[in-house]
Amino acid sequence: EVQLVESGGGLVQPGGSLRLSCAASGFTFSGYWMHWVRQVPGQGLVWVSRISTDGSSTNYADSVKGRFTISRDNAKKTFYLQMNSLRADDTAVYYCGSLYFGWGHGTLVTVSS
Amino acid sequence: DIVMTQTPLSLSVTPGQPASISCKSSQNLLYSDGKTYLYWFLQKPGQSPQLLIYETSSRFSGVPDRFSGSGSGTDFTLKISRVEPDDVGVYYCMQGIYVPPSFGGGTKVEIK
Repeated sequence: EVQLVESGGGLVQPGGSLRLSCAASGFTFSGYWMHWVRQVPGQGLVWVSRISTDGSSTNYADSVKGRFTISRDNAKKTFYLQMNSLRADDTAVYYCGSLYFGWGHGTLVTVSS
Repeated sequence: DIVMTQTPLSLSVTPGQPASISCKSSQNLLYSDGKTYLYWFLQKPGQSPQLLIYETSSRFSGVPDRFSGSGSGTDFTLKISRVEPDDVGVYYCMQGIYVPPSFGGGTKVEIK
């Protein structure tokens, strides 16, 4: 059974940092590009970032470029989203996943003073 | 950036009746490898999105065969042959070929 489990969300002040983690199981993790998407409650899904199978290629939405960094550890079957210089409009539920397996349960990030 | 346009915005369906959702891309989603990177997800109320269809028409494991995806180029369709109460939620299409990947705005399906 495919499982994608996010962790690391929480409340942070504007300008602060958080590191989200996504632990994957049930599929050959190293064979798939992995993604982060986010959703403000009541709104639609927004793509955030993706990383290639070996971590050598990454892409970001313009809204997070220069502030967020995606990475992965294939040995641990885990990938990450380092979020720096957080802003109020980064507040959302963050989902990790793959276009071939779907998304985890999500982790809420709230940026507020 | 690629714009994904879904219609209708909402759909109210009688159980047992068919339903169809359209998704149009602002550019061709056919890649040089012959695959068309269009995906469909369903977000049931209070849940995370779940994968229904990948690469236009391939059903994800465990997805009932009443769900089918079709289309090519810029025009795509998700069909539910006989809607069941468990099918309620918001359906999203997504393109995965261009950067940034992008979602449609969603289609909310309700049961009459």
